[in-house]
Amino acid sequence: QVQLQESGPRLVKSSETLSLTCTVSGGSIDTYYWTWIRQPPGKGLEWIGNVFYTGSTNYNPSLKSRVTISIATSKSQFSLKVTSVSAADTAMYYCARLLPSTMTTDYWGQGTLITVSS
Amino acid sequence: DIQMTQSPSSLSASVGDRVTITCRASQDIRDHLVWYQQKPGKAPKRLVYTASRLQSGVPSRFSGSGSGTEFTLTISGLQPEDFATYYCLQHNVFPWTFGQGTKVDIK
Repeated sequence: QVQLQESGPRLVKSSETLSLTCTVSGGSIDTYYWTWIRQPPGKGLEWIGNVFYTGSTNYNPSLKSRVTISIATSKSQFSLKVTSVSAADTAMYYCARLLPSTMTTDYWGQGTLITVSS
Repeated sequence: DIQMTQSPSSLSASVGDRVTITCRASQDIRDHLVWYQQKPGKAPKRLVYTASRLQSGVPSRFSGSGSGTEFTLTISGLQPEDFATYYCLQHNVFPWTFGQGTKVDIK
């Protein structure tokens, strides 16, 4: 059974960098796309970006140039960095796997709540 | 960006009711649409993909239809475990965009 687990600091100070890692277990990280999605408290879902196992990425322009997603296949991990965070970046952050055949998610992490403090 | 307009934003229904949720895309997205169900404190769960394909293990009372710009999720015979928030997602064009969600609660 594939499992994804987000990890990283839960509290980030305003203007600093949010860093999260998603560790994949129970399956290979190769041949799949991987994605980050976030959800501010009480609000809807927002797609952040995708990474292919080769390292190729796609990002949401709404986050402008603040986002970087990378992958470390040898560690079965992929990561998210968001720079210059503000209160608007406070959200539940989810990592998930994308099936290449349909480009839709199948397995998700449980999510981690990141709070940006002033 | 493609705007996904989901309606209604909320609805109250009774067990056994037929419920219909609509998503309209601001441009043609072919059949690149997914429906998710989300319960409080949980990650979203994929119900329908490619607009009308039911995810394995999802009850057959759920169905999706549509293509192009108009899509529908139907729950035929609402069950107590179906009270949740439902989202559509278009993945035809980057950036991928979600509808704003439809909260289904108990009448």
